[in-house]
Amino acid sequence: GENVEQHPSTLSVQEGDSAVIKCTYSDSASNYFPWYKQELGKGPQLIIDIRSNVGEKKDQRIAVTLNKTAKHFSLHITETQPEDSAVYFCAAVAIDDKIIFGKGTRLHILP
Amino acid sequence: NAGVTQTPKFQVLKTGQSMTLQCAQDMNHNSMYWYRQDPGMGLRLIYYSASEGTTDKGEVPNGYNVSRLNKREFSLRLESAAPSQTSVYFCASSEWVKNEAFFGQGTRLTVV
Repeated sequence: GENVEQHPSTLSVQEGDSAVIKCTYSDSASNYFPWYKQELGKGPQLIIDIRSNVGEKKDQRIAVTLNKTAKHFSLHITETQPEDSAVYFCAAVAIDDKIIFGKGTRLHILP
Repeated sequence: NAGVTQTPKFQVLKTGQSMTLQCAQDMNHNSMYWYRQDPGMGLRLIYYSASEGTTDKGEVPNGYNVSRLNKREFSLRLESAAPSQTSVYFCASSEWVKNEAFFGQGTRLTVV
């Protein structure tokens, strides 16, 4: 089955700097890659997703890149703000329809 | 719209007791999921239902059963609770599998 590895587990960046979170997946048949943000005491919420027919997608300060050959995808957050502090999860979905998540990255935005 | 509603929000069980976690969505979604979240382990898929009438095992199904009662409701049952099942449980739904999943607020379960 699919296995998703996510790095780093914790990331601290100065406010205004960029943050990058990386994930790798094992199943070459996976073709949908969402990213979720989880704030304390809440359920995860989708922030951006990418499908395998696209190499990059951007939404304001957030972008995701996908390298199908290397089987890795990354989340980029630019001009970080205090409200970006949260736990971020990547996920992959293969033909068996299972949404498999990485272990998460706790992002701290330092003042 | 309430979105995804989970009940209860908190529960304490004794080892060996049984209980059912309820989940309902009002978005007319076809796919529903149950996850557990443990510190440092991320979200692990217990069971999922890609469409009404189907259920499949996820990554960690042992000790659990599910019922897709109808399109709206997807319940998770613990037949004989164990301390290892202490966790936060999330239900989620999506229009279809490869679409945005909406999560409930979670159920914090403690087994003593």
